Amino acid sequence: AQKITQTQPGMFVQEKEAVTLDCTYDTSDPSYGLFWYKQPSSGEMIFLIYQGSYDQQNATEGRYSLNFQKARKSANLVISASQLGDSAMYFCAMREGPGNTPLVFGKGTRLSVIA
Amino acid sequence: AAGVIQSPRHLIKEKRETATLKCYPIPRHDTVYWYQQGPGQDPQFLISFYEKMQSDKGSIPDRFSAQQFSDYHSELNMSSLELGDSALYFCASSPDRGSYNEQFFGPGTRLTVL
Repeated sequence: AQKITQTQPGMFVQEKEAVTLDCTYDTSDPSYGLFWYKQPSSGEMIFLIYQGSYDQQNATEGRYSLNFQKARKSANLVISASQLGDSAMYFCAMREGPGNTPLVFGKGTRLSVIA
Repeated sequence: AAGVIQSPRHLIKEKRETATLKCYPIPRHDTVYWYQQGPGQDPQFLISFYEKMQSDKGSIPDRFSAQQFSDYHSELNMSSLELGDSALYFCASSPDRGSYNEQFFGPGTRLTVL
């Protein structure tokens, strides 16, 4: 079974608008972490934001926020005030258990920001 | 701030040749991970090392091996290369800070097998 599901292969957003990228996850481990990474066409993997399973508040990092709904097992990424430079592939990933366990990635969502 | 260093950045090999990819983690990071990302695919975990010992193993082919050295750098050795090995290979490192361990990715090595 897919552990991380990203149902939007591609998304378009107007510059300066907000956009939500969906991510649902599947785990039976009570301790887990959820990550979002941005991968521009150049290929590097850029860390954006992290949410731990025991965190009470939704994570925020600048224009990025994570809408964490634990009961629904969803961890959607919200990008506010989109910029042309936000056009990239976005991956949701999960680490199960505490410590240094490997990441499992979703298939990604390609975001295109339109001027 | 120091980042994860990978070398080479690009590598072209023929089928059945061997390749060695190198990774230098961020200083004081004690865990190294290797991921493989095929064209248009999501990254897949290959193998990881903690304090120079293998800690987790993913979908790493038997033709591949890896190790972490005393200075914490890691090498991924790939033998009998196949066309399907063409991919972007990422190394990531993370510190041991308890339950929150962000993984910092290197720029990747793009391997092309002809």
